[in-house]
Amino acid sequence: SAVISQKPSRDICQRGTSLTIQCQVDSQVTMMFWYRQQPGQSLTLIATANQGSEATYESGFVIDKFPISRPNLTFSTLTVSNMSPEDSSIYLCSVRTGSDTQYFGPGTRLTVL
Amino acid sequence: GENVEQHPSTLSVQEGDSAVIKCTYSDSASNYFPWYKQELGKRPQLIIDIRSNVGEKKDQRIAVTLNKTAKHFSLHITETQPEDSAVYFCAAIISNFGNEKLTFGTGTRLTIIP
Repeated sequence: SAVISQKPSRDICQRGTSLTIQCQVDSQVTMMFWYRQQPGQSLTLIATANQGSEATYESGFVIDKFPISRPNLTFSTLTVSNMSPEDSSIYLCSVRTGSDTQYFGPGTRLTVL
Repeated sequence: GENVEQHPSTLSVQEGDSAVIKCTYSDSASNYFPWYKQELGKRPQLIIDIRSNVGEKKDQRIAVTLNKTAKHFSLHITETQPEDSAVYFCAAIISNFGNEKLTFGTGTRLTIIP
């Protein structure tokens, strides 16, 4: 398995500001992903974080709103830009190992006022 | 793309009874099917998975069955306990160690009644 940490675990932010979420994994992984989960809902993929290149975004998500970095095989950041109350959600980092198994980080609970 | 449907959305069972959650998928090329358990306020945790070259896999009280012809797979929990109460998500993927993405079901909220 993979041990995944995320920072911050939660935050309360003002409308119009930005928040950067960090994801660190304890071993090199093949793929890293960012998901969003609204209360009581399933997991929605925001983007695949590609090492050394631009992330691959899913329909409905754009780079200007959710810039992502992945400078190496164990670290990635997701920024939620120009936040509005609709961005309040749990953001989860996820990694896929060489065995093709996918694990999730503990999540970041974001509240936008 | 892949589409995964999950039923039921909520399920209540008496402690000690069995629970079954069913998922169907649309893409016959999907070959890896994990199940995740998410307790309130916690991250989704992988509890069992199955690949398309087997029809059933068991781990203590949890089992998963796969019917490739019908394109559906199910999670079976026997002798349920209060700690089994959680939301369960199924998922499917065309896995060939490339850039494929997991497609998740909508989740089943399982409540075990003491």
